Amino acid sequence: DTEVTQTPKHLVMGMTNKKSLKCEQHMGHRAMYWYKQKAKKPPELMFVYSYEKLSINESVPSRFSPECPNSSLLNLHLHALQPEDSALYLCASSQRTSGGLNIQYFGAGTRLSVL
Amino acid sequence: GDSVTQMEGPVTLSEEAFLTINCTYTATGYPSLFWYVQYPGEGLQLLLKATKADDKGSNKGFEATYRKETTSFHLEKGSVQVSDSAVYFCALIAGGTSYGKLTFGQGTILTVHP
Repeated sequence: DTEVTQTPKHLVMGMTNKKSLKCEQHMGHRAMYWYKQKAKKPPELMFVYSYEKLSINESVPSRFSPECPNSSLLNLHLHALQPEDSALYLCASSQRTSGGLNIQYFGAGTRLSVL
Repeated sequence: GDSVTQMEGPVTLSEEAFLTINCTYTATGYPSLFWYVQYPGEGLQLLLKATKADDKGSNKGFEATYRKETTSFHLEKGSVQVSDSAVYFCALIAGGTSYGKLTFGQGTILTVHP
Protein backbone atom coordinates (compact mmCIF):
# COMPACT_ATOMS: atom_id res chain seq x y z
CA ASP A 1 0.00 0.00 0.00
CA THR A 2 1.50 3.32 -1.10
CA GLU A 3 -1.38 5.59 -0.19
CA VAL A 4 -1.05 9.17 0.91
CA THR A 5 -4.40 10.73 1.82
CA GLN A 6 -5.04 14.45 1.57
CA THR A 7 -8.07 16.38 2.79
CA PRO A 8 -9.96 18.34 1.71
CA LYS A 9 -9.89 17.70 -2.04
CA HIS A 10 -11.07 21.23 -2.78
CA LEU A 11 -10.92 24.40 -0.70
CA VAL A 12 -12.14 27.92 -1.40
CA MET A 13 -11.09 30.62 1.03
CA GLY A 14 -11.05 34.37 1.34
CA MET A 15 -7.89 36.35 1.95
CA THR A 16 -8.75 36.86 5.63
CA ASN A 17 -9.61 33.23 6.38
CA LYS A 18 -7.58 30.67 8.28
CA LYS A 19 -7.72 27.12 7.03
CA SER A 20 -5.66 23.94 7.21
CA LEU A 21 -4.70 21.19 4.79
CA LYS A 22 -4.20 17.68 6.11
CA CYS A 23 -2.05 14.80 4.91
CA GLU A 24 -1.85 11.25 6.31
CA GLN A 25 0.22 8.19 5.51
CA HIS A 26 0.37 4.83 7.25
CA MET A 27 3.36 3.34 5.46
CA GLY A 28 5.81 3.98 8.30
CA HIS A 29 7.53 6.68 6.27
CA ARG A 30 9.65 9.13 8.26
CA ALA A 31 9.91 11.89 5.65
CA MET A 32 7.00 14.03 4.50
CA TYR A 33 6.86 16.87 2.00
CA TRP A 34 4.64 19.73 0.87
CA TYR A 35 4.68 20.82 -2.78
CA LYS A 36 2.84 23.57 -4.63
CA GLN A 37 1.82 23.05 -8.26
CA LYS A 38 0.51 25.75 -10.56
CA ALA A 39 -1.39 24.83 -13.72
CA LYS A 40 0.75 23.29 -16.45
CA LYS A 41 3.89 23.45 -14.28
CA PRO A 42 5.86 20.87 -12.32
CA PRO A 43 5.50 20.73 -8.52
CA GLU A 44 7.68 23.08 -6.47
CA LEU A 45 9.01 21.94 -3.11
CA MET A 46 7.85 23.98 -0.11
CA PHE A 47 8.77 22.05 3.05
CA VAL A 48 10.47 18.82 4.09
CA TYR A 49 9.98 17.06 7.42
CA SER A 50 12.32 14.32 8.54
CA TYR A 51 11.52 12.39 11.72
CA GLU A 52 8.85 14.99 12.56
CA LYS A 53 11.34 17.85 12.41
CA LEU A 54 11.33 20.57 9.77
CA SER A 55 14.51 20.10 7.76
CA ILE A 56 13.88 22.26 4.72
CA ASN A 57 11.88 25.46 4.16
CA GLU A 58 12.27 26.58 0.57
CA SER A 59 11.87 30.28 1.42
CA VAL A 60 8.12 29.94 1.70
CA PRO A 61 6.18 33.01 2.93
CA SER A 62 5.11 32.89 6.59
CA ARG A 63 1.44 32.83 5.63
CA PHE A 64 2.08 29.11 5.08
CA SER A 65 2.83 27.31 8.34
CA PRO A 66 3.59 23.58 8.35
CA GLU A 67 3.13 21.26 11.29
CA CYS A 68 4.00 17.60 11.83
CA PRO A 69 2.14 16.40 14.96
CA ASN A 70 3.32 12.80 14.56
CA SER A 71 5.04 10.52 12.08
CA SER A 72 1.83 9.82 10.15
CA LEU A 73 0.35 13.28 9.90
CA LEU A 74 1.35 16.51 8.21
CA ASN A 75 -0.62 19.74 8.25
CA LEU A 76 -0.31 22.99 6.34
CA HIS A 77 -1.90 25.97 8.06
CA LEU A 78 -2.97 28.82 5.81
CA HIS A 79 -3.56 32.42 6.85
CA ALA A 80 -3.96 35.68 4.95
CA LEU A 81 -3.32 34.08 1.59
CA GLN A 82 -3.20 35.96 -1.69
CA PRO A 83 -5.03 35.08 -4.93
CA GLU A 84 -1.69 34.03 -6.45
CA ASP A 85 -1.49 31.27 -3.84
CA SER A 86 -4.29 29.47 -5.66
CA ALA A 87 -2.81 26.15 -6.78
CA LEU A 88 -2.80 22.39 -6.25
CA TYR A 89 -1.05 21.54 -2.98
CA LEU A 90 0.52 18.11 -2.97
CA CYS A 91 1.76 16.09 -0.03
CA ALA A 92 4.32 13.30 -0.45
CA SER A 93 6.08 10.84 1.81
CA SER A 94 9.13 8.57 1.62
CA GLN A 95 10.84 6.11 3.91
CA ARG A 96 13.74 8.45 4.48
CA THR A 97 15.05 11.63 2.88
CA SER A 98 18.29 10.23 1.55
CA GLY A 99 19.74 7.47 -0.53
CA GLY A 100 17.75 4.72 -2.16
CA LEU A 101 15.00 5.08 0.44
CA ASN A 102 13.89 8.44 -0.94
CA ILE A 103 11.14 7.28 -3.26
CA GLN A 104 8.39 9.82 -2.88
CA TYR A 105 4.73 8.85 -3.05
CA PHE A 106 2.22 11.61 -3.62
CA GLY A 107 -1.32 12.22 -2.52
CA ALA A 108 -4.10 13.37 -4.85
CA GLY A 109 -3.70 16.95 -3.69
CA THR A 110 -5.88 19.77 -2.41
CA ARG A 111 -7.02 22.24 -5.03
CA LEU A 112 -7.02 25.64 -3.34
CA SER A 113 -8.75 28.75 -4.63
CA VAL A 114 -8.14 32.06 -2.85
CA LEU A 115 -10.74 34.73 -3.56
CA GLY B 1 22.77 23.13 -10.38
CA ASP B 2 20.72 20.03 -11.03
CA SER B 3 18.29 20.14 -13.93
CA VAL B 4 16.04 17.94 -16.05
CA THR B 5 15.10 18.65 -19.65
CA GLN B 6 12.12 16.95 -21.27
CA MET B 7 11.02 17.05 -24.87
CA GLU B 8 8.55 19.78 -25.61
CA GLY B 9 4.94 18.77 -25.86
CA PRO B 10 2.19 18.33 -26.32
CA VAL B 11 2.50 14.90 -27.90
CA THR B 12 -0.53 13.57 -29.77
CA LEU B 13 -0.69 9.92 -30.85
CA SER B 14 -3.20 7.44 -32.15
CA GLU B 15 -4.04 4.39 -30.08
CA GLU B 16 -1.48 1.55 -30.43
CA ALA B 17 1.26 3.94 -31.59
CA PHE B 18 4.80 3.80 -30.19
CA LEU B 19 5.66 6.41 -27.57
CA THR B 20 9.00 8.01 -26.75
CA ILE B 21 9.38 10.97 -24.40
CA ASN B 22 12.96 12.17 -24.19
CA CYS B 23 14.54 13.15 -20.89
CA THR B 24 18.10 14.29 -20.22
CA TYR B 25 19.59 15.50 -16.98
CA THR B 26 22.44 17.41 -15.38
CA ALA B 27 23.30 16.50 -11.81
CA THR B 28 26.10 16.28 -9.30
CA GLY B 29 26.98 12.88 -8.01
CA TYR B 30 25.04 9.82 -8.99
CA PRO B 31 21.33 10.71 -9.20
CA SER B 32 18.30 8.49 -8.86
CA LEU B 33 15.89 8.94 -11.78
CA PHE B 34 12.10 8.78 -11.87
CA TRP B 35 9.11 9.08 -14.16
CA TYR B 36 5.89 10.34 -12.60
CA VAL B 37 2.49 10.51 -14.31
CA GLN B 38 -0.31 12.93 -13.51
CA TYR B 39 -3.80 12.14 -14.81
CA PRO B 40 -6.25 15.02 -15.20
CA GLY B 41 -7.36 16.41 -11.84
CA GLU B 42 -5.15 14.06 -9.84
CA GLY B 43 -1.85 13.98 -7.96
CA LEU B 44 1.40 12.45 -9.17
CA GLN B 45 1.84 8.70 -9.42
CA LEU B 46 5.24 7.08 -9.49
CA LEU B 47 5.47 5.28 -12.83
CA LEU B 48 9.00 3.88 -12.66
CA LYS B 49 12.45 4.46 -11.22
CA ALA B 50 16.13 3.63 -11.64
CA THR B 51 18.94 4.16 -9.17
CA LYS B 52 22.11 3.20 -11.06
CA ALA B 53 23.54 3.10 -14.55
CA ASP B 54 21.95 0.59 -16.96
CA ASP B 55 19.03 -0.02 -14.59
CA LYS B 56 15.80 -0.47 -16.51
CA GLY B 57 12.63 0.64 -14.79
CA SER B 58 9.37 -0.80 -16.08
CA ASN B 59 5.70 -0.63 -15.15
CA LYS B 60 2.36 -0.90 -16.99
CA GLY B 61 4.14 -1.41 -20.33
CA PHE B 62 6.32 1.68 -19.88
CA GLU B 63 10.11 1.36 -19.78
CA ALA B 64 13.09 3.65 -19.25
CA THR B 65 16.80 2.85 -19.03
CA TYR B 66 19.30 4.87 -16.99
CA ARG B 67 22.04 5.85 -19.47
CA LYS B 68 24.92 7.50 -17.66
CA GLU B 69 27.01 7.99 -20.79
CA THR B 70 24.29 10.09 -22.44
CA THR B 71 22.77 11.37 -19.15
CA SER B 72 19.36 10.26 -20.36
CA PHE B 73 16.28 8.43 -19.10
CA HIS B 74 13.89 8.28 -22.05
CA LEU B 75 10.38 6.91 -21.50
CA GLU B 76 9.02 4.39 -24.02
CA LYS B 77 5.87 2.35 -24.53
CA GLY B 78 5.26 0.04 -27.41
CA SER B 79 1.51 0.55 -27.80
CA VAL B 80 -0.27 3.44 -26.11
CA GLN B 81 -3.90 3.47 -25.05
CA VAL B 82 -6.39 6.30 -24.66
CA SER B 83 -6.10 5.79 -20.90
CA ASP B 84 -2.40 6.79 -21.08
CA SER B 85 -3.40 10.39 -21.80
CA ALA B 86 -1.79 12.38 -18.99
CA VAL B 87 1.16 14.63 -18.11
CA TYR B 88 4.48 12.83 -17.70
CA PHE B 89 7.26 14.26 -15.51
CA CYS B 90 10.87 13.13 -15.53
CA ALA B 91 12.62 13.83 -12.21
CA LEU B 92 15.84 13.22 -10.32
CA ILE B 93 17.23 13.22 -6.82
CA ALA B 94 20.90 14.10 -6.85
CA GLY B 95 23.32 11.62 -5.36
CA GLY B 96 24.49 12.39 -1.85
CA THR B 97 21.54 14.68 -1.19
CA SER B 98 20.65 14.68 2.47
CA TYR B 99 17.08 15.88 2.17
CA GLY B 100 15.98 14.39 -1.12
CA LYS B 101 14.75 17.32 -3.19
CA LEU B 102 13.07 16.12 -6.37
CA THR B 103 14.10 18.14 -9.42
CA PHE B 104 11.40 17.91 -12.10
CA GLY B 105 11.39 18.48 -15.82
CA GLN B 106 8.69 20.75 -17.23
CA GLY B 107 6.34 17.90 -18.02
CA THR B 108 5.10 16.49 -21.33
CA ILE B 109 1.39 16.41 -22.10
CA LEU B 110 0.40 13.21 -23.92
CA THR B 111 -2.94 12.88 -25.69
CA VAL B 112 -3.91 9.55 -27.24
CA HIS B 113 -6.80 9.45 -29.71
CA PRO B 114 -8.89 6.33 -30.47
